[in-house]
Amino acid sequence: GAGVSQSPSNKVTEKGKDVELRCDPISGHTALYWYRQSLGQGLEFLIYFQGNSAPDKSGLPSDRFSAERTGGSVSTLTIQRTQQEDSAVYLCASSPGLALSGNTIYFGEGSWLTVV
Amino acid sequence: SQQGEEDPQALSIQEGENATMNCSYKTSINNLQWYRQNSGRGLVHLILIRSNEREKHSGRLRVTLDTSKKSSSLLITASRAADTASYFCATDRSNTGKLIFGQGTTLQVKP
Repeated sequence: GAGVSQSPSNKVTEKGKDVELRCDPISGHTALYWYRQSLGQGLEFLIYFQGNSAPDKSGLPSDRFSAERTGGSVSTLTIQRTQQEDSAVYLCASSPGLALSGNTIYFGEGSWLTVV
Repeated sequence: SQQGEEDPQALSIQEGENATMNCSYKTSINNLQWYRQNSGRGLVHLILIRSNEREKHSGRLRVTLDTSKKSSSLLITASRAADTASYFCATDRSNTGKLIFGQGTTLQVKP
């Protein structure tokens, strides 16, 4: 497709289980961003990739969170030993280059995670 | 901490009225962007204004930027019910790849 694709759209998992969220960016986009949004809240920056590198991982909430990007394309956000406070929409976005260069970022529809 | 802060948090107006939302930020930026979000899902880009620009227009949208006050405003003129959404400003931090969003303004336009 032409846009950013995220899967799964919705995920219900039991507390303590691991989850993987996938993001397929727009083809050719070098920058990829992950955000988290709790109900009715703003977007919390998690991590960004330039190519396969993640220069700044300081936004990840805890060491239970990790992300990788392979081949400069698909990215996976992994949450280990999920907790109820991890319940949120996880939004992925991509752009042709970094935002500081004036690039618009394009969002996927998000993955809604519910931890029960 | 988040870079941008919008106010008001919520705004309710009648169709046809103008809506103004403000955004303040803390550190130097290269550019500032405004996004719209419907129903808590993906955001859609509205407009980008660079740090050397003071005002920009796109259709019924007008954005201003005051770098001395570290603030921006988004004006939607002649609002429509379809403008009902949450609006976010986003700023990069100079020399980093981060794009930080504010908490957003929830706009309700009553028909």
